[in-house]
Amino acid sequence: AQSVAQPEDQVNVAEGNPLTVKCTYSVSGNPYLFWYVQYPNRGLQFLLKYITGDNLVKGSYGFEAEFNKSQTSFHLKKPSALVSDSALYFCVGGGKSTFGDGTTLTVKP
Amino acid sequence: NAGVTQTPKFQVLKTGQSMTLQCAQDMNHNSMYWYRQDPGMGLRLIYYSASEGTTDKGEVPNGYNVSRLNKREFSLRLESAAPSQTSVYFCASSERAAELLAKNIQYFGAGTRLSVL
Repeated sequence: AQSVAQPEDQVNVAEGNPLTVKCTYSVSGNPYLFWYVQYPNRGLQFLLKYITGDNLVKGSYGFEAEFNKSQTSFHLKKPSALVSDSALYFCVGGGKSTFGDGTTLTVKP
Repeated sequence: NAGVTQTPKFQVLKTGQSMTLQCAQDMNHNSMYWYRQDPGMGLRLIYYSASEGTTDKGEVPNGYNVSRLNKREFSLRLESAAPSQTSVYFCASSERAAELLAKNIQYFGAGTRLSVL
């Protein structure tokens, strides 16, 4: 079984600053982890995934995520935030698609 | 490129009414899913279909039924709607089936916003 947790309901950053959206996981066996983004009144869009291999995964729109086995984390990062990055972000565990509760990212000009 | 299409976009029902939510994908995907999204919560899996001809329960199947009509279409039916089923419903699809579900990228429709009064 696999579960994920997003410890922050809300993250606020200023435009141009780096951003981090946190995710921790609990899994028996190999973890399969994803990040999705949801813009207002839209469906979810895939950003990136970790299956095996490099711990630093690069995805869409300049996002990346770092898989850390010792800390059981899969944090989403971006070096320089844009106002247009403001959205709801979900960490998802594989198997029967266990979703975190979501983190609302707000980037202020 | 339509991707995953859901109909209707909005629906208001009275308690006890029935309705079917429609979903179709044009990506030749094997697997399809139905989720519900409630405020402050992530998406919860209602039912999924790993491949044409098969369906399985997810985390919250009670009160719902599904039909995998063909490879393209996967419908969700509420036989007797209840206020607790007020939610936003998302359909999704992915390329691979069965044991590879864990590694799939899912493609989502725009959602159906359902209110049950």
